[in-house]
Amino acid sequence: KNQVEQSPQSLIILEGKNCTLQCNYTVSPFSNLRWYKQDTGRGPVSLTIMTFSENTKSNGRYTATLDADTKQSSLHITASQLSDSASYICVVSGMDTDKLIFGTGTRLQVFP
Amino acid sequence: DAGVIQSPRHEVTEMGQEVTLRCKPISGHDYLFWYRQTMMRGLELLIYFNNNVPIDDSGMPEDRFSAKMPNASFSTLKIQPSEPRDSAVYFCATLGFRSTGELFFGEGSRLTVL
Repeated sequence: KNQVEQSPQSLIILEGKNCTLQCNYTVSPFSNLRWYKQDTGRGPVSLTIMTFSENTKSNGRYTATLDADTKQSSLHITASQLSDSASYICVVSGMDTDKLIFGTGTRLQVFP
Repeated sequence: DAGVIQSPRHEVTEMGQEVTLRCKPISGHDYLFWYRQTMMRGLELLIYFNNNVPIDDSGMPEDRFSAKMPNASFSTLKIQPSEPRDSAVYFCATLGFRSTGELFFGEGSRLTVL
C-alpha cells in the first residue's frame, strides 16, 4: 500500500534555530515528491518539487533532500522565523497514477 | 491569474441541509482535485477530474457526496443531506501537468454542520 509517513508529528523550536522534518514513503514506482507549507486557515503552498534524479533542492531558507533508494526525504529549515510556524506536508506521486499521496504533516511552532 | 478560487470560505448549516461548494480552477490546468482536511485524518482525496472528466471518485465517502465539472472553469462538490461528521475544510486544487507540475490549492471552504 502506498503510504507517506512524516515525523515528528509536532515540533517546537526557538526563533533562529534550525530544524529538520522527515518524510518516509513507500510509493512505487516513484515519480516526484513535494513539500508544502500550510499556514493555519489557509491552503497549502508549494515549497519544492523533487524528481527521482534530484538529491537536494533549496528555496530560500528551506532545503529539501531526497534519497530515492531509501525512500526518504527531509526538509531543513535554517535560521527559523516566527512566520515559519505552520504545518509542513510531504506529498508523493507515483508514475502509474495521477493520485498524490499526502502525509499527515508536521506541525511546527517557532517561539520567540 | 488569481489562483484557485473557492466559495464559500465558511459555511455553517444544519444537519440534513444541502451544501454546495464551488471551485474555479486556474485557467489552463487540466487536473482538478477535491480534498477534505480534518485534524484526525489530514488531507484526503475525494475525487479528481482530468479535462472535466471524473477519473477517480473512490475517495468520496458515500452517496451523499457528488461532484461535477460541467466545464473547464468550474466545479462543484455537493453534500446532500449533510451530517455533522462532514464538518471539515474542503480544498480544491489544480494541476497543469501531472508529472512535475505544481499543485495549486485554493484557500478552502470550512464547513460546519450542526
